[in-house]
Amino acid sequence: NAGVTQTPKFRVLKTGQSMTLLCAQDMNHEYMYWYRQDPGMGLRLIHYSVGEGTTAKGEVPDGYNVSRLKKQNFLLGLESAAPSQTSVYFCASSPTTANEKLFFGSGTQLSVL
Amino acid sequence: SQQGEEDPQALSIQEGENATMNCSYKTSINNLQWYRQNSGRGLVHLILIRSNEREKHSGRLRVTLDTSKKSSSLLITASRAADTASYFCATDAGTALIFGKGTTLSVSS
Repeated sequence: NAGVTQTPKFRVLKTGQSMTLLCAQDMNHEYMYWYRQDPGMGLRLIHYSVGEGTTAKGEVPDGYNVSRLKKQNFLLGLESAAPSQTSVYFCASSPTTANEKLFFGSGTQLSVL
Repeated sequence: SQQGEEDPQALSIQEGENATMNCSYKTSINNLQWYRQNSGRGLVHLILIRSNEREKHSGRLRVTLDTSKKSSSLLITASRAADTASYFCATDAGTALIFGKGTTLSVSS
């Protein structure tokens, strides 16, 4: 039972490069979320999705785009990476009720030089 | 904006002792949740308490909620070394789940 899987686990980018983080869940959950975690800041919501084909902005959406073409996948894109986007990124999903009992992936450590 | 704030930021105890951490929040909520994060791992859901509940138990965990004071506490009884982790409260105010900055718990044997 894989749960929520994030790829890659680590990545180093140069300023201005682009990349996509992939999140996949095998629990048939409706809701999916992308958070970033920075030291001393806790987790902050970037974007979220309430179902296949839908996306919405969270607390810190600038510089990121997302897509949910399939129910099981939620992609986070950085079009032009900046050093301020150095962080640990977590994907999460929840079943049928928003904001209840989130299941988290193991995270992606991203460094932008 | 940070909705929940945990206190203390760090807590060190001996195995067998109880650990209490607190969370304060600012606005009305639907529910409050506690999560645990082991070093280098994702968060794991521990317990959820709804706004109309005052206390909830799960194994060695006891959570209380005081909506008049906008605060919650998490009690871990008979702590073990394996309880060493960061603990986060998260509040659902109707839009998104907002996490606090966490309490780092160290349990030494």
